[in-house]
Amino acid sequence: DAGVTQSPTHLIKTRGQHVTLRCSPISGHKSVSWYQQVLGQGPQFIFQYYEKEERGRGNFPDRFSARQFPNYSSELNVNALLLGDSALYLCASSLEPSRQGMYEQYFGPGTRLTVT
Amino acid sequence: KNEVEQSPQNLTAQEGEFITINCSYSVGISALHWLQQHPGGGIVSLFMLSSGKKKHGRLIATINIQEKHSSLHITASHPRDSAVYICAVQALSNFGNEKLTFGTGTRLTIIP
Repeated sequence: DAGVTQSPTHLIKTRGQHVTLRCSPISGHKSVSWYQQVLGQGPQFIFQYYEKEERGRGNFPDRFSARQFPNYSSELNVNALLLGDSALYLCASSLEPSRQGMYEQYFGPGTRLTVT
Repeated sequence: KNEVEQSPQNLTAQEGEFITINCSYSVGISALHWLQQHPGGGIVSLFMLSSGKKKHGRLIATINIQEKHSSLHITASHPRDSAVYICAVQALSNFGNEKLTFGTGTRLTIIP
């Protein structure tokens, strides 16, 4: 079975532009989370979607938005790009939580965004 | 102070050595994850645990909920173990969503 896939792999954009990143979860997984990882730091939570509804949002400005489609794939959109948005954007999917609220997350390879 | 702290930040060891990476956290959690990240970015989940100890091959993860501390051990380390190891927690305050809070990672280098 294919793992979590993300596209594109690499992307170079100019300040002020808009970008759309895409994620396809593992087949059967209904939850998708997005993370931003700036070089040298641990990932930071951006959004989680489950069954097409937003379940969680991290401390990111409104320039960041996301959505989940009926097939459970997801898009992350970033408007008015800043230099500081340069990072690796990771998508993770999971099937469903355990009764204890534990989620086994499976990560995609990431999209490396460079803003110049 | 970060909610998740890892130590050491960098670790270099000889092949065959026993490796320990530590993680301390300051919030109540429903689960703690150990992840491995190789150059290029891809993250692989190694363990998810909420109590006790788990073992997979040469990797062992332990957690002490009372002390809010977890350790990742690697026995008989090998150069292919060289990677960044990241600790992440699911906080109880985020019950109902999957938000993970990550440590900054430990960069492990195993020298042949």
